[in-house]
Amino acid sequence: EAGVTQSPTHLIKTRGQQVTLRCSPISGHTSVYWYQQALGLGLQFLLWYDEGEERNRGNFPPRFSGRQFPNYSSELNVNALELEDSALYLCASSFTRGNEQFFGPGTRLTVL
Amino acid sequence: ELKVEQNPLFLSMQEGKNYTIYCNYSTTSDRLYWYRQDPGKSLESLFVLLSNGAVKQEGRLMASLDTKARLSTLHITAAVHDLSATYFCAVDMGGGADGLTFGKGTHLIIQP
Repeated sequence: EAGVTQSPTHLIKTRGQQVTLRCSPISGHTSVYWYQQALGLGLQFLLWYDEGEERNRGNFPPRFSGRQFPNYSSELNVNALELEDSALYLCASSFTRGNEQFFGPGTRLTVL
Repeated sequence: ELKVEQNPLFLSMQEGKNYTIYCNYSTTSDRLYWYRQDPGKSLESLFVLLSNGAVKQEGRLMASLDTKARLSTLHITAAVHDLSATYFCAVDMGGGADGLTFGKGTHLIIQP
């Protein structure tokens, strides 16, 4: 069974640019979570999508957004990039809300 | 606000020794997870603990949960170099609705 996949693996952007990260959940999983792992800040919950809808978000500004598609894959968009957005962005999926979350390999974003 | 505290945050130990990582959390939790992260990599699920008194073991690692004390432990028996990694505990408080709240991680180095 294929695990959670994410693309791209690495990204380098400059301040002010926009970026889109992609995530494909494990087959059969409907919930997708996004997390940010920034140096010194630890792992923080960003967004939760379930059944195509944004259900909850962590303490992040609105320039962090995303969506979930009918096939349950998801995109994370970050607008107006700032230097502190440099981080490893992890996507996780679960069978449904509250079940164990399985993490993808992550996308390393560097903002210059 | 849910807080998850791990200690120690850094641990250097010799092969063959035993040690315990502690994870305290501040409010009632639905589930507690332990993850392993190798440098530059994603999170690997180690254990899911669901109920008071739960104990799970895999190889040289054993995790336990005391919901009354709001404490989980990850015990390492006869450590080997391959167990060097960062270990995170994470708590699901809202049945998945709020994502996982992570501890800061324990950076474990096992010297041969």
